[in-house]
Amino acid sequence: DSGVTQTPKHLITATGQRVTLRCSPRSGDLSVYWYQQSLDQGLQFLIQYYNGEERAKGNILERFSAQQFPDLHSELNLSSLELGDSALYFCASSALRGNTEAFFGQGTRLTVV
Amino acid sequence: DAKTTQPTSMDCAEGRAANLPCNHSTISGNEYVYWYRQIHSQGPQYIIHGLKNNETNEMASLIITEDRKSSTLILPHATLRDTAVYYCIVRVANQAAGNKLTFGGGTRVLVKP
Repeated sequence: DSGVTQTPKHLITATGQRVTLRCSPRSGDLSVYWYQQSLDQGLQFLIQYYNGEERAKGNILERFSAQQFPDLHSELNLSSLELGDSALYFCASSALRGNTEAFFGQGTRLTVV
Repeated sequence: DAKTTQPTSMDCAEGRAANLPCNHSTISGNEYVYWYRQIHSQGPQYIIHGLKNNETNEMASLIITEDRKSSTLILPHATLRDTAVYYCIVRVANQAAGNKLTFGGGTRVLVKP
């Protein structure tokens, strides 16, 4: 158990819909990262938050957004969903200091039908 | 972050040492070598990291060549549960970079009885 909790584990929704994925980081970790893993793209970094502020952005679509709340949990919002958004979405957390490791949750499997 | 090259796949025998190579010929002096693994659709799991000295922990050993252009992850006694995709990642480890990870294709390791 990494200490990072993601909900829900599975999500099936229709094209055009909007969903919210939730992540609770490890106790004490201020940084949260979101990754997408699809079959053809591998693991792709989407976005990072640190203590409520956006810190780094990767290959995140404009239809996607995220935020980190005062209690440090984070949500990834995916809107106007397309079939190609079907993927595993992972959240990770870490301390901000550089020389450390990231801890990943078990992911949310999103299926868009 | 420096690019890494890993074999696409490799098999190893249960109970034997598994040696996973990684080339990172463009690594910079302030970049660390990190290894993560992903067991079938689970969240990636941190294994080990190092800068220039060899490192060992309860999971594995990391051998980095003197010129730092390549490294080898050693699983001393592979078990069936070590079957996974192993990712070698090179990144700057400082607060500005945080823990954003750039995953390549990794090496798919199959441990056989």
